[in-house]
Formats: sequence, C-alpha cells, structure tokens
Amino acid sequence: EAQVTQNPRYLITVTGKKLTVTCSQNMNHEYMSWYRQDPGLGLRQIYYSMNVEVTDKGDVPEGYKVSRKEKRNFPLILESPSPNQTSLYFCASSLLQDDPNTGELFFGEGSRLTVL
Amino acid sequence: GIQVEQSPPDLILQEGANSTLRCNFSDSVNNLQWFHQNPWGQLINLFYIPSGTKQNGRLSATTVATERYSLLYISSSQTTDSGVYFCAVGWMNTGFQKLVFGTGTRLLVSP
Repeated sequence: EAQVTQNPRYLITVTGKKLTVTCSQNMNHEYMSWYRQDPGLGLRQIYYSMNVEVTDKGDVPEGYKVSRKEKRNFPLILESPSPNQTSLYFCASSLLQDDPNTGELFFGEGSRLTVL
Repeated sequence: GIQVEQSPPDLILQEGANSTLRCNFSDSVNNLQWFHQNPWGQLINLFYIPSGTKQNGRLSATTVATERYSLLYISSSQTTDSGVYFCAVGWMNTGFQKLVFGTGTRLLVSP
C-alpha cells in the first residue's frame, strides 16, 4: 500500500531534549516536505527536499533541522525543543513538484508534539 | 510572498445541500491542490488542479488560473464531508517549488 509513515504519532517531551520525528515513504517520490499546523494559522512549510542531499528552507525553519540521506526518508530534528514548537506536524511527499503533471501531494497521518 | 485566501471560513449545511468553496491567490501559480482534513486529522488529497475542471463523484473543482481563483463544489453533502478544506498553491521559487496553504474552510454537515 502506498503511504507516508510518520513516527511517533504522539509525543510529550520537555524543553531542550533533542528529538527526531521520522518520515518514510514507499512511493519512490523525489519531493518530501514537513509542515506544522497550528490553530488559526493553517499549514506552514518548515523544510522541503527535492531529492537526496537537496533540502531547502520553507517559511518557518527556525529551530528545526532535516536531512535527506536516502530517497525514502526525511527526518525532522528538533535539537533543542521549546514550548512554541508544540504543534501538529505533517510529512508529505510527491513526485517532482516542478512538473505540473506530477505534483499531487500525499500526507502522513501527523505527529502531535507537546513540549513542556 | 503569495497570499492564499479561502472563503467562507466556516460553513454549516444540512445533509443533502450543495456548497461552493472558494480559493483566491495573489500571484501566478503552476500548482493548485485541494485537501480535506477529516475530524481525525487526516489530510486527503482531493484534486490536483492547476487549471481546468475535474470531477470525482459528488465533488468537482474548477481553477481559472488567469483570474487567480479556484472553486470546490460539493453536491448532495453528507455528514462524512465534515472537516476542514484547504487549498494550496505552488510556484517556482529559485528553481524549487514551495506550497502555500490557505487557512481553510471549516465545514459541518448536520444530519
């Protein structure tokens, strides 16, 4: 089954304790992206990646890191989480976004993170 | 950056009614998608529609790129249509593409 898998789905942590949210897709997609969703603000892009070893900042990258060492995986790293990073996080993937015929985006089920 | 506005922000319907959701954007785009976020938080792609019209069952969408808007039509609404509908637009930015989401239309369909 074609899917985007995120882990963990739920996490409560404390300020400053490094954490990683994993994201894996099995559709051989080049493009992957992370979003955060907050009430009243919709979904905002954190980072995206066009292919292995190619990443770029989205609109709200501060406090986050990503890596793309393998095509299927795109982990989101919070080196020193703070309470303002409490949010619902989504990973997404698609075929190349710059091809208007193949840009349909598929989302993971979301990871709800609480930083105390 | 590009601005994406959705209207109405909230919509309440009786089951069986029809509705039209609108997405306006402030600049030329080459990618527009509609998503449904169900009450459990899952985001499902409804349409990839940078231009033209598409239909899928009771749902259809039309994008008029030259006039910078897209419409999502829901006919004979059902309670399972409840949730939040987002449009997202993308454009080329320094060789890569970024998607910007609107703030959504919250739909409640009552039995």
